[in-house]
Amino acid sequence: AQKVTQAQTEISVVEKEDVTLDCVYETRDTTYYLFWYKQPPSGELVFLIRRNSFDEQNEISGRYSWNFQKSTSSFNFTITASQVVDSAVYFCALSGYMEYGNKLVFGAGTILRVKS
Amino acid sequence: NAGVTQTPKFRVLKTGQSMTLLCAQDMNHEYMYWYRQDPGMGLRLIHYSVGEGTTAKGEVPDGYNVSRLKKQNFLLGLESAAPSQTSVYFCASSSRTESNQPQHFGDGTRLSIL
Repeated sequence: AQKVTQAQTEISVVEKEDVTLDCVYETRDTTYYLFWYKQPPSGELVFLIRRNSFDEQNEISGRYSWNFQKSTSSFNFTITASQVVDSAVYFCALSGYMEYGNKLVFGAGTILRVKS
Repeated sequence: NAGVTQTPKFRVLKTGQSMTLLCAQDMNHEYMYWYRQDPGMGLRLIHYSVGEGTTAKGEVPDGYNVSRLKKQNFLLGLESAAPSQTSVYFCASSSRTESNQPQHFGDGTRLSIL
């Protein structure tokens, strides 16, 4: 069975601090996809990134970066120089390659509070 | 550019009442999903559909029914609402054109059962 664990329930930081959100996953599939979604206070879910298990290169997009380590089954998300607008719930999710219906398994989410 | 639209946005029901949540997508996606979000539990899949006329159970299907009569619409029904079904419900859709495409979500429906 697939499982995603986000051990950090809530993180509080002061603006401009760097923050890393942890994501650990379990799967028996040799090929799979990992995702991060953001849920701001307004409630909608915003897609941030999709990463397949073939590609272990880290990815950077502006102040966001993702560290994928297959050896430790982790896909951590770092926000550099955090801003108040980064305050949100962040979800990590997993899907098996060619999973029937593209079904996702979500972690419980991490609440990030950025204070000014 | 509507994307995924859910109606209604809020609803309060009494125990035992029935209702239907509507999801509509305009992206011609084959796959559609219904999730519920509860504090500390992330999103859990209720039912999903891989195409018009087909539905399948997800992780927490009990107490819910769904129908996909048209490709663009996915309905979630509660036949006899229970307080345990108080939650925020999200609909999502994704494309089948390439493996494991991201799901696009609606804005959610906040449902309270008294």
